[in-house]
Amino acid sequence: GAVVSQHPSWVICKSGTSVKIECRSLDFQATTMFWYRQFPKQSLMLMATSNEGSKATYEQGVEKDKFLINHASLTLSTLTVTSAHPEDSSFYICSANRINEKLFFGSGTQLSVL
Amino acid sequence: DAKTTQPPSMDCAEGRAANLPCNHSTISGNEYVYWYRQIHSQGPQYIIHGLKNNETNEMASLIITEDRKSSTLILPHATLRDTAVYYCIVGGGSEKLVFGKGTKLTVNP
Repeated sequence: GAVVSQHPSWVICKSGTSVKIECRSLDFQATTMFWYRQFPKQSLMLMATSNEGSKATYEQGVEKDKFLINHASLTLSTLTVTSAHPEDSSFYICSANRINEKLFFGSGTQLSVL
Repeated sequence: DAKTTQPPSMDCAEGRAANLPCNHSTISGNEYVYWYRQIHSQGPQYIIHGLKNNETNEMASLIITEDRKSSTLILPHATLRDTAVYYCIVGGGSEKLVFGKGTKLTVNP
């Protein structure tokens, strides 16, 4: 069964609003989680590394004030897309791993900004 | 940047073996080779991984060359449900994984 749960599966919002996406590790503690974004017909692009109890590490070109990441517990990381615009419409995917094990991925969140 | 090179697309007949190649000539000694696949609008699904020995599980086999510079994922009896984009990724045990463009495998009836 799924070991990483992501919610919601899809969301439609108006331009200028903020959207929060949750990523949970179901039966293990994850000190690190990863957030990816995927545009149609493209590969997954790593956005940031979410670290429990500390600031996230963002990849080059990803605006940290635009994509707020909070990893307040060992089983939950959230990604908030602030003041969303149509160009932020994308498929967002999180992942986590048990220590020294492979990455498990969530089922993804399709964000559509109108 | 991704450390792997894969053909952009492949076709396979249903019931036949699908052999997906991957080049990773700059792999370092402690990096694993991971294979994931992604069916449209879903999160990537783990298939198999290995360090230097060949590996087999219920889904596939992974053949890694002796110099570790390339590998092949083998789906022994491809079905229509195996149609997906297959990603070969190299990385450490707990590090972030950087995805390349993958191989779009189409299994034909």
